[in-house]
Amino acid sequence: QKEVEQNSGPLSVPEGAIASLNCTYSDRGSQSFFWYRQYSGKSPELIMSIYSNGDKEDGRFTAQLNKASQYVSLLIRDSQPSDSATYLCAVNKGRGSTLGRLYFGRGTQLTVWP
Amino acid sequence: GAVVSQHPSWVICKSGTSVKIECRSLDFQATTMFWYRQFPKQSLMLMATSNEGSKATYEQGVEKDKFLINHASLTLSTLTVTSAHPEDSSFYICSAEQQGDEQYFGPGTRLTVT
Repeated sequence: QKEVEQNSGPLSVPEGAIASLNCTYSDRGSQSFFWYRQYSGKSPELIMSIYSNGDKEDGRFTAQLNKASQYVSLLIRDSQPSDSATYLCAVNKGRGSTLGRLYFGRGTQLTVWP
Repeated sequence: GAVVSQHPSWVICKSGTSVKIECRSLDFQATTMFWYRQFPKQSLMLMATSNEGSKATYEQGVEKDKFLINHASLTLSTLTVTSAHPEDSSFYICSAEQQGDEQYFGPGTRLTVT
């Protein structure tokens, strides 16, 4: 069983729609959860971090965490063509540098068409 | 925000030579830095975890004598690919952990070995 799994996509949505990206993780003790965006040929960029159950909103992005279901999601409202990228879900099993490696999913490729 | 730089951004070298890649955290001190490799259309693969002042911890299957990592200060880590071969051609990305466990990625170094 992989540590972090994402719906592989690709996901295609029209401009202005809501894009929903999903991620599950295997280690129930995981404590930190991240979403990165990676444009083709570029390195990942951190867009959201979430540590507690519930929703966390930042502009058009909302991260949702459900530790009981071991599930993390990212919603992108009012999707724009510039949101077209691969979105990586990452999980850290603990907080603090002693447990600091991230486990990445394979990524979901999102295309927003005008 | 946290900024991580890498140098060079791209490099072409001949088979059998060595290449050094630098990773710097510009506006924060990073006790832990990470080195990743990414092949086209594949996810990130963690190569090693680098802690300031101590030996790096390599992931299984990564040759520590081939990929030399030096984390000499709280803002600088270097990766040296020794005796490079064409199969080492890849996108090498470092990340630095800011206090709290968010990781920020450098822009990456594209290595081509001819």
